[in-house]
Amino acid sequence: EAQVTQNPRYLITVTGKKLTVTCSQNMNHEYMSWYRQDPGLGLRQIYYSMNVEVTDKGDVPEGYKVSRKEKRNFPLILESPSPNQTSLYFCASSFSAQQRSYEQYFGPGTRLTVT
Amino acid sequence: GESVGLHLPTLSVQEGDNSIINCAYSNSASDYFIWYKQESGKGPQFIIDIRSNMDKRQGQRVTVLLNKTVKHLSLQIAATQPGDSAVYFCAERRSGGYQKVTFGIGTKLQVIP
Repeated sequence: EAQVTQNPRYLITVTGKKLTVTCSQNMNHEYMSWYRQDPGLGLRQIYYSMNVEVTDKGDVPEGYKVSRKEKRNFPLILESPSPNQTSLYFCASSFSAQQRSYEQYFGPGTRLTVT
Repeated sequence: GESVGLHLPTLSVQEGDNSIINCAYSNSASDYFIWYKQESGKGPQFIIDIRSNMDKRQGQRVTVLLNKTVKHLSLQIAATQPGDSAVYFCAERRSGGYQKVTFGIGTKLQVIP
């Protein structure tokens, strides 16, 4: 089954404790992206990757890091989480930016709470 | 700055009626406009897209209309069903370069049985 998986689905952590949210897709997509979803603000892009070893900042990258060492994986790293990073996070993937990049496949989401 | 927005945050519709969800955009350089559906507890799911050189596109029970003159996008759902209850996002893809996709804030559609 074609899908995007995220782990963990739910996470409660404390300020300053480093964490990683994993994302994996099995569709051989070149393009991957991370979004956060907050009430009244819709989906805002954190980071994106157009292919292996190619990443760039989205609209709200502060406090986050990403890496793309393999095509299928795109982990999101919070080096020192803060309460304002409490949010619902989505990973998404699509075919290359030159094709149907707007038809993104989303993971099920990770609900993160930072206390 | 440039953004994608929606007119109605919540829309309640009787089952069987048609639904119309509206969206205003401000970026004239976008080459595609897209609608996503997000059901409770799930990630957004692609519904339909329309290229900027078109004004109408139909899918299964859905129609998207694009009015570039007033920068307005709408999603029409025919014979709305309880399974259509969800949050609907409009989005736009900027042409050229990186081709970033920007999402609106969403409209919640409630179907009344």
